[in-house]
Amino acid sequence: AQTVTQSQPEMSVQEAETVTLSCTYDTSESDYYLFWYKQPPSRQMILVIRQEAYKQQNATENRFSVNFQKAAKSFSLKISDSQLGDAAMYFCAYRGFSNFGNEKLTFGTGTRLTIIP
Amino acid sequence: EPEVTQTPSHQVTQMGQEVILRCVPISNHLYFYWYRQILGQKVEFLVSFYNNEISEKSEIFDDQFSVERPDGSNFTLKIRSTKLEDSAMYFCATQGGVETQYFGPGTRLLVL
Repeated sequence: AQTVTQSQPEMSVQEAETVTLSCTYDTSESDYYLFWYKQPPSRQMILVIRQEAYKQQNATENRFSVNFQKAAKSFSLKISDSQLGDAAMYFCAYRGFSNFGNEKLTFGTGTRLTIIP
Repeated sequence: EPEVTQTPSHQVTQMGQEVILRCVPISNHLYFYWYRQILGQKVEFLVSFYNNEISEKSEIFDDQFSVERPDGSNFTLKIRSTKLEDSAMYFCATQGGVETQYFGPGTRLLVL
């Protein structure tokens, strides 16, 4: 079974600075997807970024980027120019690849990010 | 931008009562999921649903749980006889292609 590990229960960063959240995963599959979801106090789950394992290029979405190291099974999220609205719980998630498309997400335990004004 | 919607946003029920949680998927999405999150814990998979049948279910999804898509639009999760430990946030997620699942805002269920 796949597992996802987030070893940092809490992180904090000064506003406008950069922070990196860590995630490692375990799988025997070669094709899969990795995601970062953000959960603000409202508890809504918001997609931040997605990475396909077959792509060597790291995904980027505005101030959010990932460092995907397939061999090391590592998938960290970098947030640049941190803003107060980035304060949230961040979950790393793994999803296997299926021709049928209906693979579940496996989540890590989350990292609570605090932004210091 | 299309969104997944869920009703109710909050539900308080007595132990042993039946509850039905509703989800309206994004139009044209074909894959549907229910997840739950007990307060302070990680999000856990319950069940996936495709082509009007369950694709996969977790150990949590026992005989007290059922899902259906009664009218081709809503996707429901029924808990037949609620227990205290069913108190959690329940998320519906839907997926169009083979990649990304989009989550609804959740239903906060409290069992007393």
